[in-house]
Amino acid sequence: KAGVTQTPRYLIKTRGQQVTLSCSPISGHRSVSWYQQTPGQGLQFLFEYFSETQRNKGNFPGRFSGRQFSNSRSEMNVSTLELGDSALYLCASSLYGQGETGELFFGEGSRLTVL
Amino acid sequence: GQNIDQPTEMTATEGAIVQINCTYQTSGFNGLFWYQQHAAEAPTFLSYNVLDGLEEKGRFSSFLSRSKGYSYLLLKELQMKDSASYLCAVRDIRYSTLTFGKGTMLLVSP
Repeated sequence: KAGVTQTPRYLIKTRGQQVTLSCSPISGHRSVSWYQQTPGQGLQFLFEYFSETQRNKGNFPGRFSGRQFSNSRSEMNVSTLELGDSALYLCASSLYGQGETGELFFGEGSRLTVL
Repeated sequence: GQNIDQPTEMTATEGAIVQINCTYQTSGFNGLFWYQQHAAEAPTFLSYNVLDGLEEKGRFSSFLSRSKGYSYLLLKELQMKDSASYLCAVRDIRYSTLTFGKGTMLLVSP
């Protein structure tokens, strides 16, 4: 079956702009989690959505937001971009959610560069 | 919060055995996971431990001691393709999310 698909794979933005990233989970998976990965901080949890509801949220400012649609596809948005937002943004899907099973299936990520 | 520590880098030789350690601090432990991430690729699931002891899966084994807050990933018969970052992640029942360590970059040389 098809894996987790993230688009776009690469993008370059300038400070102050906003960006929207998309994630299509594995068919049948209802949970989508988003992580930010940087060399210095590793993988940091952003938020988790399950059946269109945000279930958990990490310690990121309100500029980071997300949503999930009825077909389980998810988007995350970062507004007023800062240089420090440059990172690899990973989406992960799971069948029931992180609380029930820890096996996450990751997409290859969207690499964002903020100039 | 949670604190997860693992070495930043390790090197080993093809055919050898390497052990990657992970220590964690959490009051609501509910499982420990290991993921492998090759450069420019997605992390992939390797193993899961929730009870003390050793879980073996081919060349890879993972050990957990909950009382010590300690786990290790053991890789046997190392191959060049094992060069990757290995991520330790802990699930805390209070947060129902996985918290990842910063990863251990393993370099396997001929």
